[in-house]
Amino acid sequence: DVVLTQSPATLSVTPGERISLSCRASESVDTYLHWYQQKPNESPRLLIKYASQSISGIPSRFSGSGSGTDFTLSINGVELEDLSIYYCQQGNSLPYTFGAGTKLELK
Amino acid sequence: QVQLKESGPGLVQPSQTLSLTCTVSGLSLTSNSVSWIRQPPGKGLEWMGVIWSNGGTDYNSAIKSRLSISRDTSKSQVFLKMNSLQTEDTAMYFCARGSMGIRGWGQGVMVTVSS
Repeated sequence: DVVLTQSPATLSVTPGERISLSCRASESVDTYLHWYQQKPNESPRLLIKYASQSISGIPSRFSGSGSGTDFTLSINGVELEDLSIYYCQQGNSLPYTFGAGTKLELK
Repeated sequence: QVQLKESGPGLVQPSQTLSLTCTVSGLSLTSNSVSWIRQPPGKGLEWMGVIWSNGGTDYNSAIKSRLSISRDTSKSQVFLKMNSLQTEDTAMYFCARGSMGIRGWGQGVMVTVSS
């Protein structure tokens, strides 16, 4: 199975700053890498699909990049509502595994 | 508007079988795949398996021997059955439209495995 390693596990942020979250795959997943945001007691919400494709209704401050084994989710100007847990998921090979998540907290 | 809703028992005894139903509306099961994903309390997401639009299935190898996913297209329902439950199977269970890059999720159903 493809293992996705997300780093850091926790990131302390200040509103307004630009941040980057990492997702590294144990083998190439091409661009079959998707990012989700999950707030407490809510279902996950898709932010970015296929590594860098934007999703309708998602604020433009969220962007994704990468291919192969190294991927990045960037938030350009963090807002308080972005304090959540972020997961990556690969869809290149079954089972479609998730990373362990990165938690954004307020500094 | 696409909706998915999970239903099933909130409490299951150890060693018993879990049966969950995902009722969908606004989409056809013969044109869409549906996945089951679970999340233990305070932990991350685990992809469990999928039933494809053609009725075929794929499962997470870690739980494949205990898991079965099926559907009734006439009722727009997808079913999950998992046997030999243990306490570590305590989790929120979600059904979702698709298998990756998932935009449509159910609200989830909490299942506790306890005697």
